[in-house]
Amino acid sequence: DIQMTQSPSTLSASIGDRVTITCRASQTISSWLAWYQQKPGRAPNLLISEVSTLESGVPSRFSGSGSGTEFTLTISSLQPDDFATYYCQQYNDYQTFGQGTKVEMK
Amino acid sequence: EVQLVESGGGLVEPGGSLRLSCAASGFTFSRYWLHWVRQAPGKGPVWVARITDDGSGTTYADSVQGRFTISRDNAKNTLFLQMNSLRAEDTAVYYCARDRDGAGSVEDYWGQGTLVIVSS
Repeated sequence: DIQMTQSPSTLSASIGDRVTITCRASQTISSWLAWYQQKPGRAPNLLISEVSTLESGVPSRFSGSGSGTEFTLTISSLQPDDFATYYCQQYNDYQTFGQGTKVEMK
Repeated sequence: EVQLVESGGGLVEPGGSLRLSCAASGFTFSRYWLHWVRQAPGKGPVWVARITDDGSGTTYADSVQGRFTISRDNAKNTLFLQMNSLRAEDTAVYYCARDRDGAGSVEDYWGQGTLVIVSS
Protein backbone atom coordinates (compact mmCIF):
# COMPACT_ATOMS: atom_id res chain seq x y z
CA ASP A 1 0.00 0.00 0.00
CA ILE A 2 1.13 3.54 -0.74
CA GLN A 3 1.50 5.71 2.38
CA MET A 4 1.10 9.49 2.27
CA THR A 5 2.89 11.63 4.86
CA GLN A 6 2.05 15.30 5.29
CA SER A 7 4.03 17.97 7.09
CA PRO A 8 3.53 19.87 9.22
CA SER A 9 0.55 18.46 11.12
CA THR A 10 -0.39 21.94 12.29
CA LEU A 11 0.58 25.28 10.86
CA SER A 12 -0.01 28.63 12.54
CA ALA A 13 -0.24 31.55 10.15
CA SER A 14 -1.63 35.06 9.73
CA ILE A 15 -3.76 36.65 7.05
CA GLY A 16 -1.59 37.44 4.05
CA ASP A 17 1.06 34.83 4.84
CA ARG A 18 2.43 32.48 2.22
CA VAL A 19 1.69 28.93 3.36
CA THR A 20 3.29 25.73 2.11
CA ILE A 21 2.24 22.17 2.95
CA THR A 22 4.30 19.17 1.95
CA CYS A 23 3.13 15.67 1.07
CA ARG A 24 5.44 12.72 0.56
CA ALA A 25 4.45 9.39 -1.01
CA SER A 26 6.08 6.11 0.01
CA GLN A 27 6.58 5.28 -3.66
CA THR A 28 6.25 7.10 -6.94
CA ILE A 29 2.70 8.07 -7.88
CA SER A 30 3.44 9.86 -11.14
CA SER A 31 1.09 12.88 -11.25
CA TRP A 32 -1.88 11.22 -9.52
CA LEU A 33 -1.96 13.58 -6.56
CA ALA A 34 -4.86 15.67 -5.33
CA TRP A 35 -5.46 18.16 -2.53
CA TYR A 36 -8.67 18.63 -0.53
CA GLN A 37 -9.78 21.26 1.96
CA GLN A 38 -12.02 20.29 4.85
CA LYS A 39 -13.80 22.48 7.37
CA PRO A 40 -15.29 21.19 10.64
CA GLY A 41 -18.47 19.21 10.15
CA ARG A 42 -18.17 19.30 6.37
CA ALA A 43 -17.06 16.85 3.70
CA PRO A 44 -13.69 17.28 2.02
CA ASN A 45 -13.72 19.66 -0.94
CA LEU A 46 -11.53 18.97 -3.97
CA LEU A 47 -9.11 21.82 -4.68
CA ILE A 48 -6.45 20.43 -6.99
CA SER A 49 -6.01 17.27 -9.03
CA GLU A 50 -3.12 15.85 -11.07
CA VAL A 51 -0.63 17.78 -8.90
CA SER A 52 -1.43 21.26 -10.18
CA THR A 53 -4.83 21.47 -11.92
CA LEU A 54 -7.17 23.78 -10.02
CA GLU A 55 -10.80 22.71 -9.86
CA SER A 56 -13.41 25.11 -11.13
CA GLY A 57 -14.08 27.91 -8.68
CA VAL A 58 -10.90 27.44 -6.63
CA PRO A 59 -9.11 30.76 -6.06
CA SER A 60 -5.84 31.25 -7.91
CA ARG A 61 -3.97 31.81 -4.63
CA PHE A 62 -3.94 28.01 -4.35
CA SER A 63 -1.30 26.14 -6.34
CA GLY A 64 0.22 22.70 -6.39
CA SER A 65 3.56 21.38 -7.54
CA GLY A 66 5.84 18.38 -7.37
CA SER A 67 6.44 15.03 -9.00
CA GLY A 68 7.26 11.44 -8.22
CA THR A 69 7.06 11.25 -4.44
CA GLU A 70 7.29 14.86 -3.21
CA PHE A 71 4.47 17.37 -3.57
CA THR A 72 3.49 20.76 -2.19
CA LEU A 73 0.35 22.83 -1.78
CA THR A 74 0.94 26.57 -1.60
CA ILE A 75 -1.45 29.32 -0.59
CA SER A 76 0.15 32.52 -1.83
CA SER A 77 -1.68 34.91 0.50
CA LEU A 78 -3.73 33.32 3.26
CA GLN A 79 -7.32 34.53 3.50
CA PRO A 80 -9.82 34.14 6.38
CA ASP A 81 -11.73 31.44 4.50
CA ASP A 82 -8.57 29.32 4.19
CA PHE A 83 -8.34 28.30 7.85
CA ALA A 84 -9.13 24.61 7.53
CA THR A 85 -7.53 21.17 7.35
CA TYR A 86 -5.87 20.12 4.10
CA TYR A 87 -5.38 16.56 2.89
CA CYS A 88 -3.33 15.18 0.05
CA GLN A 89 -4.55 12.06 -1.77
CA GLN A 90 -2.80 9.67 -4.11
CA TYR A 91 -4.93 7.91 -6.71
CA ASN A 92 -2.21 6.08 -8.59
CA ASP A 93 -2.97 2.81 -6.79
CA TYR A 94 -6.51 2.87 -5.42
CA GLN A 95 -6.54 5.81 -2.98
CA THR A 96 -4.72 6.91 0.12
CA PHE A 97 -5.10 10.17 2.00
CA GLY A 98 -2.52 11.92 4.12
CA GLN A 99 -3.16 12.49 7.82
CA GLY A 100 -3.92 16.16 7.29
CA THR A 101 -2.45 19.60 7.96
CA LYS A 102 -4.49 21.97 10.08
CA VAL A 103 -3.97 25.62 9.18
CA GLU A 104 -4.83 27.72 12.22
CA MET A 105 -4.68 31.39 13.08
CA LYS A 106 -1.48 32.58 14.70
CA GLU B 1 -26.96 20.88 -8.86
CA VAL B 2 -25.19 17.66 -7.93
CA GLN B 3 -26.44 16.27 -4.63
CA LEU B 4 -25.51 13.17 -2.67
CA VAL B 5 -27.46 12.42 0.48
CA GLU B 6 -26.43 9.57 2.77
CA SER B 7 -28.67 7.85 5.27
CA GLY B 8 -28.77 4.72 7.40
CA GLY B 9 -26.09 5.46 9.97
CA GLY B 10 -26.56 4.91 13.67
CA LEU B 11 -25.47 3.01 16.74
CA VAL B 12 -24.85 -0.71 16.32
CA GLU B 13 -23.27 -3.35 18.55
CA PRO B 14 -20.03 -5.09 17.58
CA GLY B 15 -20.78 -7.94 15.21
CA GLY B 16 -23.92 -6.26 13.97
CA SER B 17 -24.93 -5.06 10.53
CA LEU B 18 -25.98 -1.81 8.94
CA ARG B 19 -26.96 -0.75 5.44
CA LEU B 20 -26.09 2.74 4.25
CA SER B 21 -27.80 4.43 1.33
CA CYS B 22 -26.79 7.38 -0.81
CA ALA B 23 -29.44 9.09 -2.93
CA ALA B 24 -28.04 11.00 -5.88
CA SER B 25 -29.49 13.77 -8.03
CA GLY B 26 -28.40 16.48 -10.43
CA PHE B 27 -26.27 14.29 -12.72
CA THR B 28 -26.55 11.18 -14.88
CA PHE B 29 -26.02 8.64 -12.13
CA SER B 30 -25.42 5.65 -14.39
CA ARG B 31 -22.38 7.26 -16.04
CA TYR B 32 -20.26 7.60 -12.93
CA TRP B 33 -18.20 5.36 -10.70
CA LEU B 34 -18.92 5.96 -7.04
CA HIS B 35 -16.99 5.59 -3.80
CA TRP B 36 -17.54 5.19 -0.10
CA VAL B 37 -14.98 7.01 2.04
CA ARG B 38 -14.98 7.04 5.83
CA GLN B 39 -13.43 9.32 8.40
CA ALA B 40 -12.97 8.46 12.04
CA PRO B 41 -13.20 11.34 14.53
CA GLY B 42 -10.08 13.52 14.32
CA LYS B 43 -8.51 11.40 11.58
CA GLY B 44 -7.98 11.72 7.85
CA PRO B 45 -10.34 10.23 5.28
CA VAL B 46 -9.93 6.56 4.37
CA TRP B 47 -11.17 5.07 1.12
CA VAL B 48 -13.49 2.11 1.70
CA ALA B 49 -14.88 0.87 -1.60
CA ARG B 50 -15.74 1.79 -5.17
CA ILE B 51 -18.11 0.57 -7.83
CA THR B 52 -18.10 0.99 -11.60
CA ASP B 53 -20.81 2.88 -13.45
CA ASP B 54 -22.75 -0.23 -14.40
CA GLY B 55 -22.16 -1.99 -11.11
CA SER B 56 -20.20 -4.83 -12.68
CA GLY B 57 -16.96 -4.07 -10.88
CA THR B 58 -16.30 -3.50 -7.19
CA THR B 59 -13.11 -2.96 -5.20
CA TYR B 60 -12.59 -2.83 -1.45
CA ALA B 61 -10.01 -1.71 1.06
CA ASP B 62 -8.32 -4.65 2.79
CA SER B 63 -9.81 -3.55 6.11
CA VAL B 64 -13.39 -4.18 4.94
CA GLN B 65 -12.91 -6.91 2.31
CA GLY B 66 -15.31 -9.77 2.98
CA ARG B 67 -17.41 -7.77 5.46
CA PHE B 68 -18.72 -4.84 3.38
CA THR B 69 -20.55 -4.92 0.05
CA ILE B 70 -20.99 -1.94 -2.23
CA SER B 71 -23.85 -1.96 -4.72
CA ARG B 72 -26.02 0.42 -6.71
CA ASP B 73 -29.45 0.73 -8.26
CA ASN B 74 -29.12 2.84 -11.39
CA ALA B 75 -32.90 2.91 -11.87
CA LYS B 76 -33.30 4.57 -8.47
CA ASN B 77 -30.09 6.66 -8.52
CA THR B 78 -29.01 5.10 -5.25
CA LEU B 79 -25.73 3.74 -3.92
CA PHE B 80 -25.55 1.27 -1.03
CA LEU B 81 -23.03 -0.05 1.46
CA GLN B 82 -23.95 -3.23 3.31
CA MET B 83 -21.78 -3.50 6.40
CA ASN B 84 -21.62 -6.80 8.29
CA SER B 85 -19.53 -8.05 11.21
CA LEU B 86 -19.00 -4.49 12.35
CA ARG B 87 -16.09 -3.68 14.65
CA ALA B 88 -15.33 -0.74 16.91
CA GLU B 89 -12.72 0.43 14.42
CA ASP B 90 -15.45 0.86 11.79
CA THR B 91 -16.79 3.82 13.79
CA ALA B 92 -16.66 6.84 11.47
CA VAL B 93 -18.57 9.26 9.32
CA TYR B 94 -19.26 7.52 6.03
CA TYR B 95 -19.35 9.61 2.87
CA CYS B 96 -20.48 8.65 -0.58
CA ALA B 97 -18.64 10.46 -3.34
CA ARG B 98 -18.67 10.70 -7.10
CA ASP B 99 -15.63 9.70 -9.13
CA ARG B 100 -14.93 12.62 -11.41
CA ASP B 101 -13.40 10.80 -14.36
CA GLY B 102 -15.09 7.44 -14.07
CA ALA B 103 -11.96 5.34 -13.77
CA GLY B 104 -10.88 5.44 -10.17
CA SER B 105 -9.80 9.04 -9.99
CA VAL B 106 -10.59 11.84 -7.57
CA GLU B 107 -13.89 12.49 -5.84
CA ASP B 108 -15.40 15.75 -7.05
CA TYR B 109 -18.71 15.69 -5.15
CA TRP B 110 -19.33 14.35 -1.67
CA GLY B 111 -22.41 13.86 0.46
CA GLN B 112 -22.74 15.33 3.93
CA GLY B 113 -21.92 11.99 5.56
CA THR B 114 -23.70 9.63 7.92
CA LEU B 115 -22.28 8.66 11.31
CA VAL B 116 -21.80 5.02 12.21
CA ILE B 117 -20.96 4.18 15.81
CA VAL B 118 -20.04 0.62 16.69
CA SER B 119 -20.26 0.17 20.43
CA SER B 120 -21.84 -2.03 23.07
